[in-house]
Amino acid sequence: AQSVAQPEDQVNVAEGNPLTVKCTYSVSGNPYLFWYVQYPNRGLQFLLKYITGDNLVKGSYGFEAEFNKSQTSFHLKKPSALVSDSALYFCAVRDMYPSGGSYIPTFGRGTSLIVHP
Amino acid sequence: GAVVSQHPSRVICKSGTSVKIECRSLDFQATTMFWYRQFPKKSLMLMATSNEGSKATYEQGVEKDKFLINHASLTLSTLTVTSAHPEDSSFYICSASSRQWEGDTQYFGPGTRLTVL
Repeated sequence: AQSVAQPEDQVNVAEGNPLTVKCTYSVSGNPYLFWYVQYPNRGLQFLLKYITGDNLVKGSYGFEAEFNKSQTSFHLKKPSALVSDSALYFCAVRDMYPSGGSYIPTFGRGTSLIVHP
Repeated sequence: GAVVSQHPSRVICKSGTSVKIECRSLDFQATTMFWYRQFPKKSLMLMATSNEGSKATYEQGVEKDKFLINHASLTLSTLTVTSAHPEDSSFYICSASSRQWEGDTQYFGPGTRLTVL
């Protein structure tokens, strides 16, 4: 079975400061990991993914995430937050070779990021 | 990036009527399409998964006779909410993915806001 946890409902950060949105996962094998962002009344937009290779993944809008296998984490980061980054962020995981043949990713419950001017 | 459209973006209907929501992948062929429901400030609830040309697989607790899903082609899936009631009011989001070896990156539509009076 696969699962993902976003331990924070909300993250508050001042504009210009670095931000981190946390995500931990559990899979039986190797993971595929994703981050998505959702602006109000919109669908989700793909930010970045980890499939294999470098543990540090760079994505859209200056975001990056670091895959840490020992800590089973995939935290989303940005060096300098913008007010426009305020949105709902979702982490998702999928087992690379799922048993039973299901390739459906599991989504976290979402973390609301609020960047204050 | 891949583009997924949804139509309509917003619909208001009377209780007892049926509503059809279309989801289209505009620039790629989607082997799999997903339908989600999202409650206010809540995570995504996967309703069903559909593969082109085959019956949709519904998640536990989702009524297949109430939420009819058709995936007639590699670029189009429809969700029909039959005999809608006020409790069906929600934000419905579709997503599409292609080729499982890309890690099943899902590309999301902009969502449809359904209000049942």
